[in-house]
Amino acid sequence: GAVVSQHPSWVICKSGTSVKIECRSLDFQATTMFWYRQFPKQSLMLMATSNEGSKATYEQGVEKDKFLINHASLTLSTLTVTSAHPEDSSFYICSARDRANSYEQYFGPGTRLTVT
Amino acid sequence: GENVEQHPSTLSVQEGDSAVIKCTYSDSASNYFPWYKQELGKRPQLIIDIRSNVGEKKDQRIAVTLNKTAKHFSLHITETQPEDSAVYFCAASLGYSTLTFGKGTMLLVSP
Repeated sequence: GAVVSQHPSWVICKSGTSVKIECRSLDFQATTMFWYRQFPKQSLMLMATSNEGSKATYEQGVEKDKFLINHASLTLSTLTVTSAHPEDSSFYICSARDRANSYEQYFGPGTRLTVT
Repeated sequence: GENVEQHPSTLSVQEGDSAVIKCTYSDSASNYFPWYKQELGKRPQLIIDIRSNVGEKKDQRIAVTLNKTAKHFSLHITETQPEDSAVYFCAASLGYSTLTFGKGTMLLVSP
């Protein structure tokens, strides 16, 4: 149980374009989903927290107009990187919290974004 | 906000030895402490967690200890195997709030 999927697993895009990443909880309802960014050999940096049906809460320094987060249902959250630049290239990982066991977070497999 | 320090950043052991990774946290109100294992290019996987009402928790070769007074917790892996090689992250949170992660420890187990 507690499986989180992410799509796509990797994507290459050109500067100036937008990319959408999907995060799904497959076998549980996730009232809260989290989006992280991870650079090589570094820790996970929380970008934002999204609760189903409400606006995301962004961490300090994260541009909400650049990283659009939508959590329209209890099983789906999306992250859209708008007007991507090479410095946005990174590993993006989502996680979801199981409503029935709220402390634990289950992570998706991540999306490798490369902006050329 | 919460701050989590993790040591060491790299740990090399021989197969069969024990490995210990230590973390300290700053917010005395934190009450949930998970440990994640992340292999290269893969997702972090929860390997064990502990809540503040417990001092120690064990799962086969893995154990976690918590000292609330000193605000530190440790991961212990016994009888290490090459497949234990990965990056390990500790984290802390207050209940349903966000997790704060340590910087990670790269564990290398040599056969």
